[in-house]
Amino acid sequence: QQPVQSPQAVILREGEDAVINCSSSKALYSVHWYRQKHGEAPVFLMILLKGGEQKGHEKISASFNEKKQQSSLYLTASQLSYSGTYFCGTERMYSGGGADGLTFGKGTHLIIQP
Amino acid sequence: GAVVSQHPSWVICKSGTSVKIECRSLDFQATTMFWYRQFPKQSLMLMATSNEGSKATYEQGVEKDKFLINHASLTLSTLTVTSAHPEDSSFYICSARDGGRGYGYTFGSGTRLTVV
Repeated sequence: QQPVQSPQAVILREGEDAVINCSSSKALYSVHWYRQKHGEAPVFLMILLKGGEQKGHEKISASFNEKKQQSSLYLTASQLSYSGTYFCGTERMYSGGGADGLTFGKGTHLIIQP
Repeated sequence: GAVVSQHPSWVICKSGTSVKIECRSLDFQATTMFWYRQFPKQSLMLMATSNEGSKATYEQGVEKDKFLINHASLTLSTLTVTSAHPEDSSFYICSARDGGRGYGYTFGSGTRLTVV
């Protein structure tokens, strides 16, 4: 089942902050965050594995609330290069072996204006 | 870091013909690769899981006879769109990861397929 992302779109001025949310009705093993620019493939940002885990690099960070099956991506002091569509991809819990692929949300379009 | 190469970047074909798309892991071995399809302004939808040395597994609603997947080696998976029709026009992207479930996926650069 597809995770729900919000908001659908955000328009910011350079230097402003943004939060993108991702929630799932299924028990999750991990949440992945990607950024995709028009006509290009998604680029991996980070993966969150454990309940309450937080990660970050530069001015982009994320958290994962395992109990609520929710993850949030935080963009601080946004730069023009942050523009693009952000997708969360979820990997479900399973008991068997093998890889499972990701189920992506519908994406959040982020526009950064100078 | 892990690199996934995908070719061709774009292809235009006539309706009724077949098109093959290649996905290679350049600096790691991938026993499993994934194929996604993305229509304009939409999300990525998982089509199938490509397993080295065994049959691919397809997501519900994806025709396995139309989208043939071959994963003959640990570094190469191919997707062949058979008897392509205009509604198959889309952005096809493969992905793989160098490691287990604690690692992120790397995506190929994608293939823009246009069927005329």
